[in-house]
Amino acid sequence: GQNIDQPTEMTATEGAIVQINCTYQTSGFNGLFWYQQHAGEAPTFLSYNVLDGLEEKGRFSSFLSRSKGYSYLLLKELQMKDSASYLCAVIDRNYQLIWGAGTKLIIKP
Amino acid sequence: EPEVTQTPSHQVTQMGQEVILRCVPISNHLYFYWYRQILGQKVEFLVSFYNNEISEKSEIFDDQFSVERPDGSNFTLKIRSTKLEDSAMYFCASSPGGAGTDTQYFGPGTRLTVL
Repeated sequence: GQNIDQPTEMTATEGAIVQINCTYQTSGFNGLFWYQQHAGEAPTFLSYNVLDGLEEKGRFSSFLSRSKGYSYLLLKELQMKDSASYLCAVIDRNYQLIWGAGTKLIIKP
Repeated sequence: EPEVTQTPSHQVTQMGQEVILRCVPISNHLYFYWYRQILGQKVEFLVSFYNNEISEKSEIFDDQFSVERPDGSNFTLKIRSTKLEDSAMYFCASSPGGAGTDTQYFGPGTRLTVL
């Protein structure tokens, strides 16, 4: 079967750095997305990785290792508005998005 | 900035009734999707649509579901006879190309409550 694992919940302090990990076992791989979802709202796009390495975009960076089936999302200089769920999603060989359950990030002052 | 829109934002219906959820994708996008998210659970793929036909569908998308692009702008999801377990947030998304290469942009969702 297809499986995407992320921690259920993480807590971090405003101004700090947090890393959210994602491991996947899917039938094929055509890329990995990170989305942010605030409660009751739609997912919004954060990053896309298809090649190994780090993609940096402002305060957010995403890393991929295809050989390890592993990605992480790194959030720097945390702000209160970063409190949200972070969803890892993998494109499988049929070009379908397979979603993780999401990591709820709680930011404390 | 162009965005995906969905109507209504909330829909309450009685079990067994038909509902139609409406979406207006981003105008130059070619691929359209429906997802659902039961409260507190993960996002689940329902169906993808390209060139006026379904390109992929999940096991959830059974005979009670259908999609249509009735004109050049709207993309609808119809649930023929709603069940209690259909209560969820339904998200429409669109992408310029297929999911293999292009980011999907999500609408704000329709919260469906079946009583």
